[in-house]
Order: sequence, then structure tokens, then C-alpha cells
Amino acid sequence: GAVVSQHPSWVICKSGTSVKIECRSLDFQATTMFWYRQFPKQSLMLMATSNEGSKATYEQGVEKDKFLINHASLTLSTLTVTSAHPEDSSFYICSASPGVSPNYGYTFGSGTRLTVV
Amino acid sequence: RKEVEQDPGPFNVPEGATVAFNCTYSNSASQSFFWYRQDCRKEPKLLMSVYSSGNEDGRFTAQLNRASQYISLLIRDSKLSDSATYLCVVNTGYGNKLVFGAGTILRVKS
Repeated sequence: GAVVSQHPSWVICKSGTSVKIECRSLDFQATTMFWYRQFPKQSLMLMATSNEGSKATYEQGVEKDKFLINHASLTLSTLTVTSAHPEDSSFYICSASPGVSPNYGYTFGSGTRLTVV
Repeated sequence: RKEVEQDPGPFNVPEGATVAFNCTYSNSASQSFFWYRQDCRKEPKLLMSVYSSGNEDGRFTAQLNRASQYISLLIRDSKLSDSATYLCVVNTGYGNKLVFGAGTILRVKS
């Protein structure tokens, strides 16, 4: 089945530093990947849609200059949390689908637990 | 009103019980529907897609009622390993974005 690999699984960083999270589709090409954030006991919230070869589309309320997304190839999207602060601590998850139809399910990466201290 | 609403639970049931979860969605133009399972501190995993005709996968049965904008999941003969959060997910068709419900917590006890 479709596999999405996400790294790192967890990261602890100091306030003010930047953290890069990678999301790779291992056995399929993904022109579109999605980045989510999940706070404790809350649902997944879509942050942005990452489009290969073009700019990402951000959801309302998500700062594009703070959450930099790069989708340079059909199998790799990266999310960089710039100048991280403690309130950015969260579970970040990417997803992609091997199919273009909305009827395809999406596969998720294993997530990255970010703690900013 | 939230786009996708679920009863958060928790549902505490004994092993072997049958349990049903419900979900409603607000966008009548939504195109596809899914149930995902999420274990504590893990990523969501696709449990099953949901079709208007209803579909079954072993102990799991999903149903969609487009007229009422209502989705259900039935779990028969609950196992301890079924304990998780069950997420109702809707693809609205706008850019293939998924909208997640907040999840329903299931705890199966021996």
C-alpha cells in the first residue's frame, strides 16, 4: 500500500530556532501533500496544501512566513517552523494520496511531535 | 456549526459488545467520506471508506445517509484492541481537502 514517511518523529528545540520536517511518499508520486497540526485532545487541523512546483496554499489564520513549505519534487515536501515558540509545540502530520479522485483515502506520515522550550 | 460533528464520548464498553458511532456533516456538496482510527500519540490510519450503499469490513459496518448528511460506524464483537479514537472524515471536494471531526473515544474493557 501507499506509504508516507515523515521525519523526525520528535524534536525538542529552543525558542527562536527553526525546525524542518520532511514528508516523503515512498512508493507513489504526490503532486499534492497536506500538512496538519494537532493539539492535545483536539482534531487535526489543516495548515496548508503543498503543491509540487508551486506555492503552497495556506489555510486562514496560518502564517505563511512562519510555516515555510517547500515541495520541490513529486515525492518530498518539507515544512519549516521558523523562529519557533512554545505555542508552536504540537503534533505535525503530513498526508498524501496516491489517487487524484476524492474517493481515495489518504495516507498519513507517522507525525512529528515538536516541543519548543 | 462545525463542518463535521461527532460525539466525543468516551464510549466505555465490555469486550464483545456492539457499539455505534454517529457523525454529521454540514456541507451537502461533500463528495467522499471515511472513518479513520487514531491511537494515542499516533497518526490516523484509514479504517474504511463510506458509501451510500453501506459497506462492511469484518466486524465493521459503515453507512452513509446523504439526505440526512449523516455517517455511522458500527463495531460488532468489540475487542480490547479496538480501543482508540475514531475520526469521521469528509472530503468536501474543494482541493481534495479532508475535514476531520474531533473524534469519538472508544474504550473496550475486559
